[in-house]
Amino acid sequence: QKEVEQDPGPLSVPEGAIVSLNCTYSNSAFQYFMWYRQYSRKGPELLMYTYSSGNKEDGRFTAQVDKSSKYISLFIRDSQPSDSATYLCAANQGAQKLVFGQGTRLTINP
Amino acid sequence: DARVTQTPRDKVTEMGQEVTMRCQPILGHNTVFWYRQTMMQGLELLAYFRNRAPLDDSGMPKDRFSAEMPDATLATLKIQPSEPRDSAVYFCASGLSETQYFGPGTRLLVL
Repeated sequence: QKEVEQDPGPLSVPEGAIVSLNCTYSNSAFQYFMWYRQYSRKGPELLMYTYSSGNKEDGRFTAQVDKSSKYISLFIRDSQPSDSATYLCAANQGAQKLVFGQGTRLTINP
Repeated sequence: DARVTQTPRDKVTEMGQEVTMRCQPILGHNTVFWYRQTMMQGLELLAYFRNRAPLDDSGMPKDRFSAEMPDATLATLKIQPSEPRDSAVYFCASGLSETQYFGPGTRLLVL
């Protein structure tokens, strides 16, 4: 079993929809949680970063961590075609190597 | 806008040849990571350095892969000899604490 599990999708939604992307993890020692966005033929780009449990909002994006259930979520409101990409969740114990999920391929249809 | 740079961006080579990939981390970042990405395995950590010292290379096939940081502005990943199963995108990332910033990757095809 991988330490961070993520449904690879693909996920396809209409423009304007709310998108929910999710991961689960198994290592209770994880304290830092990240979401990366990767466009085709590009490197992963850091999108959101949270410490421990709770929510963090940045524009149309909200990251949520529930440490009691070991669940990581990313919500995208008012989704745009430009949001079409692969989204990777990741976690670590701090200043150490990140453990990545498999990535979910998302397509927003105009 | 500080970025991680990687060269070459694309590399096609024949089995058995040596491949060297280079990375320039973001100035001031003290940790450098090498990853490999494939469709089947996703992102795999190969090795990482902190303050130029290797901390973990357990993800790397040691008989053919080697990673070094000759100075703070350059990290290298070498494959010798290369094999078709090494075909992948290789990413370098750098960071200062919990987060990492990725370069554009080197797309390697070994024929």
